Amino acid sequence: QVQLQESGPGLVKPSETLSLTCTVSGGSISSYYWSWIRQPAGKGLEWIGRIYTSGSTNYNPSLKSRVTMSVDTSKNQFSLKLSSVTAADTAVYYCARERTLAAAGTTLDYWGQGTLVTVSS
Amino acid sequence: DIQMTQSPSSLSASVGDRVTITCRASQSISSYLNWYQQKPGKAPKLLIYAASSLQSGVPSRFSGSGSGTDFTLTISSLQPEDFATYYCQQSYSTGGTFGPGTKVDIK
Repeated sequence: QVQLQESGPGLVKPSETLSLTCTVSGGSISSYYWSWIRQPAGKGLEWIGRIYTSGSTNYNPSLKSRVTMSVDTSKNQFSLKLSSVTAADTAVYYCARERTLAAAGTTLDYWGQGTLVTVSS
Repeated sequence: DIQMTQSPSSLSASVGDRVTITCRASQSISSYLNWYQQKPGKAPKLLIYAASSLQSGVPSRFSGSGSGTDFTLTISSLQPEDFATYYCQQSYSTGGTFGPGTKVDIK
């Protein structure tokens, strides 16, 4: 059973960089896209971006200038960096596996439990 | 950008009720539509993929239908553990947009 676990600071100061890592266990990180999604308290889900195990990335255009994702296949981990954070970036951040379907798009079939990141001085 | 809407935004229902949630895309997305269930404090859970395929382990009371721009999620007989928020998500374009969610609570 694939499991994902987010880790990283729960408190980040405004204007600094949010850094999170997702560790994948129970399966290989290879040959999948791996995504980050966030959810402000009481609000809906926002896709941040994804990374393939080759290092190829796609980012949400609204966040693209501030987002960097990376992958470390030797550790079965992938990471998110979001720079110049403000209070608006306060949210629960989820990592998830994206599975490609035959002629039917993709789906997020495994999710981490989520980690709350608060942006505050 | 593909925009997703859901209706209703919330509903109250009783155990045993048949519940239907609608999701609409701003353009045709074929069958590239997923449904997720989220309970408070938990990560979303995949229920339905490709509009109508049931994810492994998900009870058969959940079903999905539709194609193009209009989709539905149906719960045939609502159970106590089904009270949650339901999100649709399109995967037609990269960075699949989520709908705003439908909260199902107890009448």
